[in-house]
Amino acid sequence: QQQVKQSPQSLIVQKGGISIINCAYENTAFDYFPWYQQFPGKGPALLIAIRPDVSEKKEGRFTISFNKSAKQFSLHIMDSQPGDSATYFCAASYAGNMLTFGGGTRLMVKP
Amino acid sequence: NAGVTQTPKFQVLKTGQSMTLQCAQDMNHEYMSWYRQDPGMGLRLIHYSVGAGITDQGEVPNGYNVSRSTTEDFPLRLLSAAPSQTSVYFCASSYSTSGGAGSTDTQYFGPGTRLTVL
Repeated sequence: QQQVKQSPQSLIVQKGGISIINCAYENTAFDYFPWYQQFPGKGPALLIAIRPDVSEKKEGRFTISFNKSAKQFSLHIMDSQPGDSATYFCAASYAGNMLTFGGGTRLMVKP
Repeated sequence: NAGVTQTPKFQVLKTGQSMTLQCAQDMNHEYMSWYRQDPGMGLRLIHYSVGAGITDQGEVPNGYNVSRSTTEDFPLRLLSAAPSQTSVYFCASSYSTSGGAGSTDTQYFGPGTRLTVL
């Protein structure tokens, strides 16, 4: 049973375009929603995270949008660059528990 | 700081063999965990530890054992390897479990061990 569902599995975007990755969760107790970025041959690294008391968080070209009523959150990458090509994982957790990850999205940004 | 280190980077085993995947961190983190990564499945939690001497099962613990004798080390043991355990294994550590406040939530991942069981 996958508590965090991520889509799409793969995404191809032209340089300068907007990349959008979506996640949906089931457990309403979740209160922490991070996104991790993973380059080939490396471990995942925290990219950006949000808590449900805000609807949006922006860090540079990366933005998380959060919709509590719909139990959905998404990652937007503005002005996508070839260097953004990586696998992105959404995740969720609630206090005192470990992260539950989505299935991952492989992003390719074409020059 | 070296962060989270894992050895070996690659390993090939035959069915039924045993081995230990090593994980160490030098950040004095209390929390350590093991994940396996399979295509389309994301990262699934195998076992985790909230401190030395304390371990607990994650989502997919069968076939794996762990122990935590020191804060720094958290080895993962495969007692009798099976082809279904072919995967990439990641160790991670954090100051606290995710859900706490601020940057203490961040999990730091090691570079991974790619394991093939024939």
